[in-house]
This record gives sequence, C-alpha cells and structure tokens, in this order.
Amino acid sequence: DQQVKQNSPSLSVQEGRISILNCDYTNSMFDYFLWYKKYPAEGPTFLISISSIKDKNEDGRFTVFLNKSAKHLSLHIVPSQPGDSAVYFCAASDQTGANNLFFGTGTRLTVIP
Amino acid sequence: GEEVAQTPKHLVRGEGQKAKLYCAPIKGHSYVFWYQQVLKNEFKFLISFQNENVFDETGMPKERFSAKCLPNSPCSLEIQATKLEDSAVYFCASSQSQVNTEAFFGQGTRLTVV
Repeated sequence: DQQVKQNSPSLSVQEGRISILNCDYTNSMFDYFLWYKKYPAEGPTFLISISSIKDKNEDGRFTVFLNKSAKHLSLHIVPSQPGDSAVYFCAASDQTGANNLFFGTGTRLTVIP
Repeated sequence: GEEVAQTPKHLVRGEGQKAKLYCAPIKGHSYVFWYQQVLKNEFKFLISFQNENVFDETGMPKERFSAKCLPNSPCSLEIQATKLEDSAVYFCASSQSQVNTEAFFGQGTRLTVV
C-alpha cells in the first residue's frame, strides 16, 4: 500500500521556466515531509523539507508547499536549470518518532536547455 | 566522516550464498537506517538503529536478514541464503536526531543475486 504517491513519472521543462513536482499522501499521521534529488548510481540527496505546522518553506530556487487538508505537497523550482535534471522523490515521516521515511516512486525531471 | 560511506559499491552473489553490506554513518549521527530499492524507484524501509540499539525493525524480513550497529565498527546488513528477489540497491542513511530531521544517504550497494 503506497502511502506516498507521485503520479507523474516524468516531467520536461524548458530551462528558465518553473518546474512543479507534485506529491500526495494518504496517512494523516505524517507530519514531516522532505524532497530528495537523485542522480543515477548515487544516493538520494536532501533538498528541502517542511513541517506540518507550516504551509510553505523556501530555500533559494526551491519552494515546497504543503496543503494538509488535501494531503498534497508540491516542489517548485524556479528558474529551472539543466543541472536540475534528476529523479525527485517525495518522502514523509509520521509522529511515532521512528523517523523512517515513506517514499514516493519519484518523478524524473528533464530540464531542456 | 562527513558523508555516509557504504561498501562495497557492487556485490554479486550466487543464489544461496551470504551477502554482507557495510555502512559508516556520519560522525555524530545517532540514527542509522537501511532501505532497499528493488524496482527502479521504490524504496522500502528495512530497519533503523539508535546508536547500537535496534529502533524499528518492522521492515525486516526476519528469516534471512539481520543487521547490527556495534560501537566503533561500521553498521552491517547481512542476508543469509540470498534469493534472486534480494537483488536490489541497498541504501544506508543516518540522521542526527529522532524526529523532523533529514536523513543523509550513502551511495548504496548494488546487490545482484545470480
């Protein structure tokens, strides 16, 4: 049972435009959300996170939005750069304190120069 | 160290053989996690440690999988009598605290069972 879902397996965006990656979750106990970026043959690299007490967190070109009522979060990258081309994973953890992450299946972003 | 170090990078085992994977967490991080990436994009949580103590092992297949984090040694994940379906990339991650903090991942060990 996939508790974190990324319904778009791939996304192509022109360089300089905005990339919007979406993520939905089903478990209302999730209270911390993260985005990871992954290149082939490497481990996931942490990008940005958001706690459930916030609805927005910004770090440079990356902004994460959380809509708790819709159980939806999104990652905005603006402006997109060719180096942003990678697979992006949404992840969530719950309030039990175990801190293990539940991952989505990833969205492959391609930024076209 | 400044990064999570996993060894080996690749491991090939015949079906039924033992496989042992190692992970050195970031210095100062108390929590260690193991994840299995079977299909290209699906991560499955296996087990977590708080220092040398098992914290959560709900994802571990109990029969053939075991893991340890001993003081002054890399953590290890061992698979006895490997099966074809154990072929996957195994990622180790570490974090400083228990909740609401990012986990830092190693580069993974690709296990191929033939």
